[in-house]
Amino acid sequence: GAVVSQHPSWVICKSGTSVKIECRSLDFQATTMFWYRQFPKQSLMLMATSNEGSKATYEQGVEKDKFLINHASLTLSTLTVTSAHPEDSSFYICSAPNGLAGSYEQYFGPGTRLTVT
Amino acid sequence: QKEVEQDPGPLSVPEGAIVSLNCTYSNSAFQYFMWYRQYSRKGPELLMYTYSSGNKEDGRFTAQVDKSSKYISLFIRDSQPSDSATYLCAMSEGNFNKFYFGSGTKLNVKP
Repeated sequence: GAVVSQHPSWVICKSGTSVKIECRSLDFQATTMFWYRQFPKQSLMLMATSNEGSKATYEQGVEKDKFLINHASLTLSTLTVTSAHPEDSSFYICSAPNGLAGSYEQYFGPGTRLTVT
Repeated sequence: QKEVEQDPGPLSVPEGAIVSLNCTYSNSAFQYFMWYRQYSRKGPELLMYTYSSGNKEDGRFTAQVDKSSKYISLFIRDSQPSDSATYLCAMSEGNFNKFYFGSGTKLNVKP
């Protein structure tokens, strides 16, 4: 089946620094990718929709200047957490629909755990 | 009111029991209904998918959708310890539309 990878799987950074998380579709092209955030014992909350070749669409309450999204190619989207603070510590997950006509399925990456100290 | 409501549990059952997991929703435009399983610190993996109303069976898993009641269920028969995980329901209005997730139900199947 289709695979989505994320890198890194776990990152620790100091408060005030920026962190970049990569999401790659390994064997299919994805013009759209989704970025989610999941706090402990809570569900996935959609942060933004990443669109190849155009600006990302952010959900209400998500700061676009803090969470920079770049969909550089049909297989790569990046999320950069700028000026990270401890409250940004979370599990970040990306997903991508497989793009086939009539298909419903989204493939999720394994997630990236961010800890801001 | 949340778009999707799901009891967070935890739900603890003995091995071999039938498990019933449920979600309710408020958006009548939802047409795609999914159940995902998520192990600790891992990404969700798709278990079942249903379009519109009806039932779908896959091995020990059965998904049901009742659009008139805005209620979906996942049944697990002959539950196994390996089924212990968090189960998330998800819904979407269309193929490539964003997903709305329930909060997840943590299931523990005791040997």
